Amino acid sequence: DTAVSQTPKYLVTQMGNDKSIKCEQNLGHDTMYWYKQDSKKFLKIMFSYNNKELIINETVPNRFSPKSPDKAHLNLHINSLELGDSAVYFCASSPRTGNTEAFFGQGTRLTVV
Amino acid sequence: AQSVTQPDIHITVSEGASLELRCNYSYGATPYLFWYVQSPGQGLQLLLKYFSGDTLVQGIKGFEAEFKRSQSSFNLRKPSVHWSDAAEYFCAVRGAQKLVFGQGTRLTINP
Repeated sequence: DTAVSQTPKYLVTQMGNDKSIKCEQNLGHDTMYWYKQDSKKFLKIMFSYNNKELIINETVPNRFSPKSPDKAHLNLHINSLELGDSAVYFCASSPRTGNTEAFFGQGTRLTVV
Repeated sequence: AQSVTQPDIHITVSEGASLELRCNYSYGATPYLFWYVQSPGQGLQLLLKYFSGDTLVQGIKGFEAEFKRSQSSFNLRKPSVHWSDAAEYFCAVRGAQKLVFGQGTRLTINP
């Protein structure tokens, strides 16, 4: 059983398109995140949700819109894709927003051409 | 604000040799610290964590890390590396509702 699963694993799309990445966790966690890993492997928080409520929006462009239909799912929709959006996007979850580790999905490699 | 520095971008060691990856953090209160490993094309796997108590923590795959408050460090060690340890290693500190990661250290193993 995959704890945190993301789909798709790979996504290649043209500039200007709109795309979504889905994430689901079966760990019963309250908190979910989206991280972006750039070409230099640097990991940066984008969003954090706790029980479907947005907690962190880390200066991410409005083209990125997370949606959490329930606490087990956190999807990421991206409008008007740009070349600079090419990266690996990781979904993660943790039991709560307190001092715990996060469990990561396998990542979605997004390539904008 | 919390921050993590991993001074070594890339380290190469021979198989069977010992390993130490450095991590320095900046955090005002008692830090909650983590080491993650990322194999090529994979997600991040937790190796070990420090919350409190014994400053030497044991993790999976034979890794350990030592928390030194006086040096603001949380270095990762392994006495004898295996070829399968080749990967990217990330140190992280728990901040307000998020993990803050270092830049990562890429580990290459020579046969």
